[in-house]
Order: sequence, then C-alpha cells, then structure tokens
Amino acid sequence: AQSVTQLGSHVSVSEGALVLLRCNYSSSVPPYLFWYVQYPNQGLQLLLKYTSAATLVKGINGFEAEFKKSETSFHLTKPSAHMSDAAEYFCAVSGANFGNEKLTFGTGTRLTIIP
Amino acid sequence: SQTIHQWPATLVQPVGSPLSLECTVEGTSNPNLYWYRQAAGRGLQLLFYSVGIGQISSEVPQNLSASRPQDRQFILSSKKLLLSDSGFYLCAWSPRAQGHFGSGTRLTVV
Repeated sequence: AQSVTQLGSHVSVSEGALVLLRCNYSSSVPPYLFWYVQYPNQGLQLLLKYTSAATLVKGINGFEAEFKKSETSFHLTKPSAHMSDAAEYFCAVSGANFGNEKLTFGTGTRLTIIP
Repeated sequence: SQTIHQWPATLVQPVGSPLSLECTVEGTSNPNLYWYRQAAGRGLQLLFYSVGIGQISSEVPQNLSASRPQDRQFILSSKKLLLSDSGFYLCAWSPRAQGHFGSGTRLTVV
C-alpha cells in the first residue's frame, strides 16, 4: 500500500523568496516519486521524478526535490519564487516494481506568490 | 511523440442523465490507461485503470464504469449521474516513471 501526505494545503511566499513544498510518503515497496503542477482548469504537468537514481532530482522551471529515505520525504524546492509559479502542486508515489505502477496522489498544495 | 486527447473539456449534465467521456492516446501501443477524478478541494483519486483491451480494474465502488474497446481508447461512463459525480476528470497513460495527462473534463451535475 502507498500513500502521500502533503503538509500545508496552502502556501504563500513572496516573489524572490524560497519555495518549499513538503511531501512525505509511505510505501511497502521501493518507490518512484513525482511532483506535478496544475494550472487552473488544466491537466497535470510533470515537474520532476525520482526513479531510484540520484537522490537530488532537478526538474523544469528551476524546481528540485531531494529523496530522503530515512525521513520518507520528497520535498520540492525552488530558490527564488516567480509569479508564474502560482499553481497547485501534487506529490505522487508509485511502486518501482512492475505491477505497482498506479500513481497515488497527495491532496495538493496551492502555492500563492505575493508580489 | 505521444499525445493524449480528452473530450469534452466541459460538460453540464442534469442528475439522472447518462455520461460518456472519451480518452484516446496516439503514438504508443498497449499503454496502461487511467481515469482520475479531482473533486473540489481534494486530491486526485484513481477511479479505473486498464492494462489492455477489455481489462478494467476499479479502485473504488461508485456510480461510474469504464471500458476499453480499443487499444488506445478509454471511456468513462455512467447510466445515471449523481450530484456527487461532479468534478474534474483526468485521463492518463502509462504513469510508470512518468505520467502523461490529458487536459481534463470539468463535469458539473445539476
């Protein structure tokens, strides 16, 4: 069984400030981990993914995330927030084994950027 | 390259009416296909997934059903819609190591 917990349904940061969105996971098998972004009334776009290679993963739009097995965490960060980063962000987990490919999502974090 | 098409983009349906949402994938064969629902203020809930033609797995009991009549076609249906079926429906293919999502259908049941 797998689950994802995103701490904070709403996060506000000032433009230019650090963005930190938290994600903790639970998985009975080695996990693959993902961060997606969703703009209003659109589908989900993959930001980055962890698939058991490097623990520090770099994605699009300047985002990165670090897989920490000991903390069962996969927090998303960006050094300097931009107005265009305002969106909803979802963390997701799937099993790394064939047959465990279903994505389980967190409830999402809405990011607001303050000018 | 692979693309995923989902339609319609928005839909307003009365309670008790039928539903049919369609999703098609191009540029790949034998994809794993998924239907998710996003209710207001909630995350994405997996409704159905399919690993092949005619093979459907349901994740949660509900008023909806899914079918896969062709390799790259996935249909979400209901015989009689409920108010609680309102939400944003997303189709996806082969999430393994990367999920490709359609643009979604906003369903409002009135």
